[in-house]
Amino acid sequence: SYELTQPLSVSVALGQTARITCGGNNIGTKNVHWYQQTPGQAPVMVIYRDSNRPSGIPERFSGSNSENTATLTISRAQVGDEADYYCQVWDSSSAHVVFGGGTKLTVL
Amino acid sequence: QVQLVESGGGVVQPGRSLRLSCAASGFSFSSYGMHWVRQAPGKGLEWVAVIWFDGSTKYYADSVKGRFTISRDNSKNTLYLQMISLRAEDTAVYYCARLYNDPGHMDVWGKGTTVTVSS
Repeated sequence: SYELTQPLSVSVALGQTARITCGGNNIGTKNVHWYQQTPGQAPVMVIYRDSNRPSGIPERFSGSNSENTATLTISRAQVGDEADYYCQVWDSSSAHVVFGGGTKLTVL
Repeated sequence: QVQLVESGGGVVQPGRSLRLSCAASGFSFSSYGMHWVRQAPGKGLEWVAVIWFDGSTKYYADSVKGRFTISRDNSKNTLYLQMISLRAEDTAVYYCARLYNDPGHMDVWGKGTTVTVSS
């Protein structure tokens, strides 16, 4: 079955750039979606289809996807960005949605 | 305003059944596929099942296949998850989410309903 690998945690200084990676075999051939989840809340989509931002998501959030790694980039990180972030794909070979294990972002 | 509201969660004994509902409003429910996603306490997101807009196609995670059934009633704008033979490891918050374009694209989520399987 297809697997996505994320770092457990990422730390970033206030105002700096955070990068959260999502590794998967040939993930560059799939559409990657990213979700933000704060404690006790439902997930919110922050990036869809690799690099597209839904309305209402700040331009500070961006995404890329190539070969075996997709990356969520958060520029000028704010305390309010502290959350768990999940990458996700649709694996057409198994007809399953696959989530990464999630990354906890801490803004120092 | 696009909204999804889950209900039906609760405490249930192992081996028993439960049916969750997800009421949709603010959009044309019959035009969209829908997902169930769950999250065990302190754990990450786990996909459960998906159903196409017309109910013609359904897929399940291996962990629930044969025990859970996803269905929908487009006349009532409601999504369901019938769960049987519940296990302790099914304890989780269950979210419904709207499928948009790509089957993995979940653009709107409900707030979730909590299922606790315990004797």
